[in-house]
Amino acid sequence: NAGVMQNPRHLVRRRGQEARLRCSPMKGHSHVYWYRQLPEEGLKFMVYLQKENIIDESGMPKERFSAEFPKEGPSILRIQQVVRGDSAAYFCASSPRQAPGNTIYFGEGSWLTVV
Amino acid sequence: AQTVTQSQPEMSVQEAETVTLSCTYDTSESDYYLFWYKQPPSRQMILVIRQEAYKQQNATENRFSVNFQKAAKSFSLKISDSQLGDAAMYFCASIRTPGSARQLTFGSGTQLTVLP
Repeated sequence: NAGVMQNPRHLVRRRGQEARLRCSPMKGHSHVYWYRQLPEEGLKFMVYLQKENIIDESGMPKERFSAEFPKEGPSILRIQQVVRGDSAAYFCASSPRQAPGNTIYFGEGSWLTVV
Repeated sequence: AQTVTQSQPEMSVQEAETVTLSCTYDTSESDYYLFWYKQPPSRQMILVIRQEAYKQQNATENRFSVNFQKAAKSFSLKISDSQLGDAAMYFCASIRTPGSARQLTFGSGTQLTVLP
């Protein structure tokens, strides 16, 4: 059973460009989460999605950031007009519908560098 | 809101020795779960151990065990017979019960160095 798959692992963007990060959850998992880790910090929750629905986006910046989890295909975290402060590791995680102990499994992260 | 505090930014342990990493949390919930995640140099987040708050028995996974003190809101991780591969950043995390928003709240981490 493959784990949570994220791509790209590393992404370099110039200021003002768009960044798209993709996440395929573990097989059988219908819940996806995005977390951001700034340098030297812990992970911070951004958004929680189920198929075609955003359940909780309380951690998402109000502008330039969006997320989706379509009926078919991976979840996408989209950052428009990137700035240097967006440089961070973005982790995707997934859990099954009835997660025992609410265990959430993480991908290996996508590292965004804005130059 | 939940908060998680790790007061030890760095710890070191001699190989084969035992080390305890501290974590305290604050929550108004009566039912919740607690986790320890490990982040090695590869930066992947790896689940080490989890604890259900309603269970009094401390969780154990091989060389890893927790000391869960619910009244004190303390959740420390003990690593026995430390190995070089245990060197990593360790994050304590909490989450509320099923049915509510599934936000993991993380502490700031403890960097563990294992000395040969």
